[in-house]
Amino acid sequence: AQKVTQAQTEISVVEKEDVTLDCVYETRDTTYYLFWYKQPPSGELVFLIRRNSFDEQNEISGRYSWNFQKSTSSFNFTITASQVVDSAVYFCALSGTNTGNQFYFGTGTSLTVIP
Amino acid sequence: EAGVAQSPRYKIIEKRQSVAFWCNPISGHATLYWYQQILGQGPKLLIQFQNNGVVDDSQLPKDRFSAERLKGVDSTLKIQPAKLEDSAVYLCASSLGLQGLGGYTFGSGTRLTVV
Repeated sequence: AQKVTQAQTEISVVEKEDVTLDCVYETRDTTYYLFWYKQPPSGELVFLIRRNSFDEQNEISGRYSWNFQKSTSSFNFTITASQVVDSAVYFCALSGTNTGNQFYFGTGTSLTVIP
Repeated sequence: EAGVAQSPRYKIIEKRQSVAFWCNPISGHATLYWYQQILGQGPKLLIQFQNNGVVDDSQLPKDRFSAERLKGVDSTLKIQPAKLEDSAVYLCASSLGLQGLGGYTFGSGTRLTVV
């Protein structure tokens, strides 16, 4: 079964603090993809990153970084020096080649950055 | 490149009424998805099309929900009759193929309120 768990429902940080959003997944697929999406108050899902199951290299993009560890089935997302514009709901998602590539989303983590 | 277009942006209806949502995917994207996102939850797949054929509709409540993509381009999702628990954001997404390797692009969604 495919499952994504985001245990943190809500997080509040003060601007310029670093924050890590946790994501744990379950899958029987040997080939799968992990994603992070940002959903601002406007409602649109904004693509942030996609990783495939064969690439465990961490990735950094500006203030964003991702830590993918297959050993713990985790794909955590860190925002460095958070800004008010980072306030949104963040979703981790899983897509597997044996399940029609549909997305399985976590329940999301609502991040509030306080100025 | 134009994004995934959805309309209407908002809809308020009374229970037992009917409603329809429209989605125009990115040009050339063969795969189209409809997701339902209930407040506080992650999006859940309702139906997946490949061109004009249905790939997966296992989570579509077929007694009241229907969807079509007759010409393999735009799609409509209908609810008839609506229930209070159908209040949600309905998101349309598209991708180049079943693999979704090129990434999914989501529309802004239609926010449905059933009163």
